Amino acid sequence: AQSVSQHNHHVILSEAASLELGCNYSYGGTVNLFWYVQYPGQHLQLLLKYFSGDPLVKGIKGFEAEFIKSKFSFNLRKPSVQWSDTAEYFCAVNAPDKLIFGTGTRLQVFP
Amino acid sequence: SQTIHQWPATLVQPVGSPLSLECTVEGTSNPNLYWYRQAAGRGLQLLFYSVGIGQISSEVPQNLSASRPQDRQFILSSKKLLLSDSGFYLCASNRDRVAGELFFGEGSRLTVL
Repeated sequence: AQSVSQHNHHVILSEAASLELGCNYSYGGTVNLFWYVQYPGQHLQLLLKYFSGDPLVKGIKGFEAEFIKSKFSFNLRKPSVQWSDTAEYFCAVNAPDKLIFGTGTRLQVFP
Repeated sequence: SQTIHQWPATLVQPVGSPLSLECTVEGTSNPNLYWYRQAAGRGLQLLFYSVGIGQISSEVPQNLSASRPQDRQFILSSKKLLLSDSGFYLCASNRDRVAGELFFGEGSRLTVL
């Protein structure tokens, strides 16, 4: 069965620190991978996605993620976080006709 | 672009009462539609999805049911609510049947007392 693991449940950083959020998936077919973000009081929205091609994908607001097939991973990174990056981040993997999400990582950035 | 409307936004119901959460989608046709439940520390749990009118797939056994009476309408229901049904319910629609990318509604927060 498809599954997604996010090992960091709560991350606290100071502004300008670097960020890496882990995501590992389990799926036997061709994968499409996603990171979604939910800012306080807002909808879930797509941050970035990987379908095929270059395994390093860039998203909005300076985020990027790297698909490493051999490690079944799709970690999210940002070199320098801002206070406005405080949010909950969800990794997701496709399955036929549906999307499976991880448990989420809550990021708090302090000025 | 798509817009997803969910209502009610907030609902407080007694145990044993019925439930109906409604979701409608604008700006697309023949979408896949989804109901997720979001709980702190548990991420987004897929409850139901539908690939067409009258077609419902259930992901987890539970006290809830779903129906899709029209192409862009998706309803989450229960005949008798349990305390454990409390949570934040999100409706979602896919984008042009491209695998995975979803648009989400604002959510409905249900509290069962």
